[in-house]
Amino acid sequence: GQNIDQPTEMTATEGAIVQINCTYQTSGFNGLFWYQQHAGEAPTFLSYNVLDGLEEKGRFSSFLSRSKGYSYLLLKELQMKDSASYLCAVRVDAGNNRKLIWGLGTSLAVNP
Amino acid sequence: GAVVSQHPSWVICKSGTSVKIECRSLDFQATTMFWYRQFPKQSLMLMATSNEGSKATYEQGVEKDKFLINHASLTLSTLTVTSAHPEDSSFYICSASPGTRSSYEQYFGPGTRLTVT
Repeated sequence: GQNIDQPTEMTATEGAIVQINCTYQTSGFNGLFWYQQHAGEAPTFLSYNVLDGLEEKGRFSSFLSRSKGYSYLLLKELQMKDSASYLCAVRVDAGNNRKLIWGLGTSLAVNP
Repeated sequence: GAVVSQHPSWVICKSGTSVKIECRSLDFQATTMFWYRQFPKQSLMLMATSNEGSKATYEQGVEKDKFLINHASLTLSTLTVTSAHPEDSSFYICSASPGTRSSYEQYFGPGTRLTVT
């Protein structure tokens, strides 16, 4: 089966650092994505990891360990606008296509 | 670049009627388009994957006769919810990918909120 786990909710303070974890068990692996979704809006792309290690992009970084089936999204210098749901998704092969298997999302609340 | 539009952004319809939602890639050719729906406070649920010029591949549990998908060109896919019922009320989101195997990213449309009364 396909399973992606991430915490349901997290709370952090403006200016702080927060780490959102994601573990996965999927049949096949062709990359892991992190998306940000504000309420009532479509997801927006944050990061993509296909090899082990840390990918840094501004205030956001994403880490992947394929042997452990584990990833995390690190958000630094938190801002109020970072309050959103963060979705972890794993790309798997599906016939001639590749599709994304989605986690349920982590709702992050940033407090002043 | 990589902009995807959806129309309409919201729609209210009566039970038993059909609703068509359009998804367009504005500045790239989308070989593959995906249709999702999302209920409040839940994650995205993939409904179907469509490739231009071929029949859509539906996920298990999604009725293909109820959710008709047409991917007639490289920039347009449509989802028609036929004989809509209140339980079909949801947020429908499409995404588009430039390639089937080489491109890793999906670009999302802004979503369509459907309310069936």
